Amino acid sequence: GENVEQHPSTLSVQEGDSAVIKCTYSDSASNYFPWYKQELGKGPQLIIDIRSNVGEKKDQRIAVTLNKTAKHFSLHITETQPEDSAVYFCAAKGGYGNKLVFGAGTILRVKS
Amino acid sequence: DGGITQSPKYLFRKEGQNVTLSCEQNLNHDAMYWYRQDPGQGLRLIYYSQIVNDFQKGDIAEGYSVSREKKESFPLTVTSAQKNPTAFYLCASSIDRRDTEAFFGQGTRLTVV
Repeated sequence: GENVEQHPSTLSVQEGDSAVIKCTYSDSASNYFPWYKQELGKGPQLIIDIRSNVGEKKDQRIAVTLNKTAKHFSLHITETQPEDSAVYFCAAKGGYGNKLVFGAGTILRVKS
Repeated sequence: DGGITQSPKYLFRKEGQNVTLSCEQNLNHDAMYWYRQDPGQGLRLIYYSQIVNDFQKGDIAEGYSVSREKKESFPLTVTSAQKNPTAFYLCASSIDRRDTEAFFGQGTRLTVV
């Protein structure tokens, strides 16, 4: 089945700097790659997603890139702000069983 | 408002008891999922359902059971066979297509006392 690996597990950046989180997936049939942000004690919320027919997608300060050949995708946050501090999860969907499989998460801390 | 609702928010259970967590959605989604989240860890799939009256085991189904009698409801029962049930449980739903987003509820924190 699908396996998603996410790095780094924790990331500290200075306010205004960029943050990059990387994920790899194993099932080449996966075709949907969302990124979720989770704040303490709450459910994850979708922040951006990308489908396999697209290589890059941007939404204001957030962008996601996808390399299907290498089976990896990345989240880029520019001009980070303290409110970006949270846990971020990548996920992959559309492979065997059409399950939504998550990475282990990245704790992002933005220092002001 | 359209959305996905989990209840209760906090739940305490004595060892040896079964307990049922509720998940309801009014988004008209076919697919529903249950995940378990332990402190500092990712989301692990317990069960998922792609259509009414059908569901499949996820990666950690042992000690759990589900039903899907109605499209909008996907309750999860944590049985006494689950050896370490204390965790944060998250329910999600999506349109049953391979490239659509999942919406999450706010979670239920289960504690065994």
